[in-house]
Amino acid sequence: GENVEQHPSTLSVQEGDSAVIKCTYSDSASNYFPWYKQELGKGPQLIIDIRSNVGEKKDQRIAVTLNKTAKHFSLHITETQPEDSAVYFCAASFRGSQGNLIFGKGTKLSVKP
Amino acid sequence: GAGVSQSPSNKVTEKGKDVELRCDPISGHTALYWYRQSLGQGLEFLIYFQGNSAPDKSGLPSDRFSAERTGGSVSTLTIQRTQQEDSAVYLCASSLGGGSGTDTQYFGPGTRLTVL
Repeated sequence: GENVEQHPSTLSVQEGDSAVIKCTYSDSASNYFPWYKQELGKGPQLIIDIRSNVGEKKDQRIAVTLNKTAKHFSLHITETQPEDSAVYFCAASFRGSQGNLIFGKGTKLSVKP
Repeated sequence: GAGVSQSPSNKVTEKGKDVELRCDPISGHTALYWYRQSLGQGLEFLIYFQGNSAPDKSGLPSDRFSAERTGGSVSTLTIQRTQQEDSAVYLCASSLGGGSGTDTQYFGPGTRLTVL
């Protein structure tokens, strides 16, 4: 079946450094790629998303890049802060259903002060 | 405005009992989704409702799982004859809808189900 692979599963960085999380997807018809941040005991919150008609999108310290040919997309967080510590999930739309998303298994990011 | 709400926040039950989990979507959102998140895992799609269309049940793991959405708003996920492997966090999300597959989904806080 269709799937989304996410790497790394854990990532530890020093405050102020950059963090990069990468995802690959299998469904060539996927056209929507959101990233979610999940803090302990809470539901996932959307932090940024990208659609297939663009290759890059930036929002302050967060950016996402998309390579449709290679079927991978990445999250970049610059100038990391301790409050960035959380689990991050990538997802891709799934043509098998008009509504649902396929999620990666998550990356636990730890930012050390 | 109010986000997606779910109740209860925690549910402990005994193996073999039935449970009902509730989701209140954001007002005006026509699409509603249920996901399951096992410990340390990603989100597993369960079921998707869009307006008055027949729901997409392709993610339900067994016939013990069912969901309803009454009046196009509140949804209930029912698990019959619960098993220990059903223990997980059940997340509900809603979106504006329209069937494009590119709506932003807004998640509730989840219900943590523990089956003893």
